Amino acid sequence: AQKVTQAQTEISVVEKEDVTLDCVYETRDTTYYLFWYKQPPSGELVFLIRRNSFDEQNEISGRYSWNFQKSTSSFNFTITASQVVDSAVYFCAFGSGNTGKLIFGQGTTLQVKP
Amino acid sequence: DGGITQSPKYLFRKEGQNVTLSCEQNLNHDAMYWYRQDPGQGLRLIYYSQIVNDFQKGDIAEGYSVSREKKESFPLTVTSAQKNPTAFYLCASSIGDLLGTQYFGPGTRLLVL
Repeated sequence: AQKVTQAQTEISVVEKEDVTLDCVYETRDTTYYLFWYKQPPSGELVFLIRRNSFDEQNEISGRYSWNFQKSTSSFNFTITASQVVDSAVYFCAFGSGNTGKLIFGQGTTLQVKP
Repeated sequence: DGGITQSPKYLFRKEGQNVTLSCEQNLNHDAMYWYRQDPGQGLRLIYYSQIVNDFQKGDIAEGYSVSREKKESFPLTVTSAQKNPTAFYLCASSIGDLLGTQYFGPGTRLLVL
């Protein structure tokens, strides 16, 4: 069965610290997709990134970076120099070509203190 | 501005009552989805639709119904058969087939009186 695990329930950091959010997935599929979404207090999920299983190249977007490693089935998300506005719940999600449905992790609540 | 709208923002349901949550998108996306989120948990798929007049059950479809009469609209009805409807409901849409990236609306919070 496919599964996404975000072991960190809550993380609290002080502004300007770097923070890494972990995501581990389980699947037997060879073609799949991984996502990160941000859910601020308003509730709307904001799309951050999509990664295809055949593309292990890491990606950097401003203060955000993602490390995709198929060998360890992980897709970790790092925020550099965190800011108060980064405070939110972050979800990792998995999608497979066989089902087309997204499976979400439980989410990690990030609190960035000033 | 293109986007997904959900209404109402808050909805109150009385015991035994059916209520309908609205979801509209003007992104010209083909696929639409409904998810349920309970406190401290991830999202679970209720129903999804790849094309007009066709929809499929997700993981927790019992007590819910949907329709897809127009490409832009995918309303969700929470029926009286859903015994624990209190949750945050999120609608999403994606371009093309079910493998497209899903974009979400602002959500509707349903509370039972």
